[in-house]
Amino acid sequence: AQSVTQPDIHITVSEGASLELRCNYSYGATPYLFWYVQSPGQGLQLLLKYFSGDTLVQGIKGFEAEFKRSQSSFNLRKPSVHWSDAAEYFCAVGRNNDMRFGAGTRLTVKP
Amino acid sequence: SAVISQKPSRDICQRGTSLTIQCQVDSQVTMMFWYRQQPGQSLTLIATANQGSEATYESGFVIDKFPISRPNLTFSTLTVSNMSPEDSSIYLCSGGRDPDNEQFFGPGTRLTVL
Repeated sequence: AQSVTQPDIHITVSEGASLELRCNYSYGATPYLFWYVQSPGQGLQLLLKYFSGDTLVQGIKGFEAEFKRSQSSFNLRKPSVHWSDAAEYFCAVGRNNDMRFGAGTRLTVKP
Repeated sequence: SAVISQKPSRDICQRGTSLTIQCQVDSQVTMMFWYRQQPGQSLTLIATANQGSEATYESGFVIDKFPISRPNLTFSTLTVSNMSPEDSSIYLCSGGRDPDNEQFFGPGTRLTVL
């Protein structure tokens, strides 16, 4: 069965510092992977997605993610965090109308 | 992309009543989905809304409790029936054009049941 694990429930970083959010997945075939962000009171916005090809994918708002098949990981990174990045981040895996979400990582940004 | 709106954005309801949530997409989408997000938790898929036929429900969700309609390619409703406090959640609608591609999400409906 497919599943997604986000090991970090809550992360706090200082503004301007780098960020890495972890995501591990379990999937029987080649996964399609997504990162979404949810700001308070808002729906989910797609940051980036990976289907195939280059394992380093660029997304919106300066985010990138790297697919590592050997580690079953799809970690999200940003070189310099802004206060507006404070939100909940969800990793998801899915194909064929079946999308599974991780539990989410809440990001707090310190001034 | 697609822009999805939901109505109402929030509501407070009494136990035993029902609430219908509307989901409107600004362009045609092949698939529409309904999710529940309980406080502080991730998203759980309730059902896939199928145009012109009965919705496909996930394990643990039944049509009597969560009837869904999808009359066309841009609109769907979810009804939460005979509500109890345990139904207090955010309900999210999403849509997509490709089974293997991303879903676009609405802003959610925050439901509180007293």
